[in-house]
Amino acid sequence: KAGVTQTPRYLIKTRGQQVTLSCSPISGHRSVSWYQQTPGQGLQFLFEYFSETQRNKGNFPGRFSGRQFSNSRSEMNVSTLELGDSALYLCASSFSGSLAGELFFGEGSRLTVL
Amino acid sequence: SQELEQSPQSLIVQEGKNLTINCTSSKTLYGLYWYKQKYGEGLIFLMMLQKGGEEKSHEKITAKLDEKKQQSSLHITASQPSHAGIYLCGADILRSARQLTFGSGTQLTVLP
Repeated sequence: KAGVTQTPRYLIKTRGQQVTLSCSPISGHRSVSWYQQTPGQGLQFLFEYFSETQRNKGNFPGRFSGRQFSNSRSEMNVSTLELGDSALYLCASSFSGSLAGELFFGEGSRLTVL
Repeated sequence: SQELEQSPQSLIVQEGKNLTINCTSSKTLYGLYWYKQKYGEGLIFLMMLQKGGEEKSHEKITAKLDEKKQQSSLHITASQPSHAGIYLCGADILRSARQLTFGSGTQLTVLP
């Protein structure tokens, strides 16, 4: 069974640009969540989607957005990039999104903003 | 996250030694997850604990959940260089599906 797949793995952008990251969950998983990991702040929750609906959102500005498609694949977008957006963006999937489910992460997308 | 404290921050042990990593929450735990991460890579799921007193083992790694203390411990027996990495605990403290709060991690080095 394939794991959580994130693309691209690495990317470099400049300030002011926008970026879209993609996440394909484990087959059969309907919940996808996104996290940002930086050396200073650690792992922080961005948002979570289940059946194409955003159920939870972390404390990030509106420049960060996401969506989920009918096949459970998810994308997140960051507009007007800032230097502080440089981070490892991790996607995680679970079967039902319930409190009892195991949560599996992808390898991440490393974003560098110059 | 200050809501979830991990200790120690770093650990250097000789191969073959046992070690313990702790994760303490300032809020009620509704679920506790342990992950391992190689630098700059994704998180590898180790274990999930939900009930007080629950204990799970996988190969040489054992995790326990003490609900009363709102604490979990991860114990590695007879450590090997392959155990090296960053260990992260993540907790559901908001009773919110799939929104985990993470500790700052424990960097484990195992010397051969």
